Amino acid sequence: EVQMVESGGGLVQPGGSLKLSCATSGFIFSGSAILWVRQASGKGLEWVGHISTKAYTYATAYAAPVKGRFTISRDDSENTAYLQMNSLKTEDTAVYFCAGVGASSFWGRGTLVTVSS
Amino acid sequence: QAVVTQEPSLTVSPGGTVTLTCGSSTGAVTSGHYPYWFQQKPGQAPRTLVYDTKNKHSWTPARFSGFLLGGKAALTLSGAQPEDEADYYCLLFYTFNGGGVFGGGTKLTVL
Repeated sequence: EVQMVESGGGLVQPGGSLKLSCATSGFIFSGSAILWVRQASGKGLEWVGHISTKAYTYATAYAAPVKGRFTISRDDSENTAYLQMNSLKTEDTAVYFCAGVGASSFWGRGTLVTVSS
Repeated sequence: QAVVTQEPSLTVSPGGTVTLTCGSSTGAVTSGHYPYWFQQKPGQAPRTLVYDTKNKHSWTPARFSGFLLGGKAALTLSGAQPEDEADYYCLLFYTFNGGGVFGGGTKLTVL
């Protein structure tokens, strides 16, 4: 059974940092790029960024609103991806999901990040 | 930044057929955008129905099919069921920055 479990969300003040984890099992993690997607309450899905595989030199790409503040990484030995979020803003408040791509396009249930003073 | 457009809402009768589309502000959508289609029901995480234009997962009902139509990505639902009522999102990838852009979503009502 495939599992993707996000963790690390919570309440943080504006300007603060959080690091989200995406722990996976049940599929070949090292062979799949990993997406991070967020969804503010009552809103649509927003692509945050993604990290490719070792074959593509772990290349990353980020959405304009988070570029320079967020960093995606992965540890293939732990089957886990990460989203480091710095300089958080109130508009970053959302549920954050991780997902695989292609035939490994499985989704986690998300973790809530609330940025508020 | 590219803008991806979807119909905000559509209604289909039970047993009927409906096509959702996904367009790009940069021009025609091609297989090079690797179109994805996701279904999200209230209170649930999204799940992938179609990836890379037309490929389905094992859990994707056979009544859904993805393809390119008139310069857009499209998702057709043939034989709509009440459980198909949900929000549907498309995702396109752009090579100029390697990034992805979601459409605004289509709220599908089966009525």
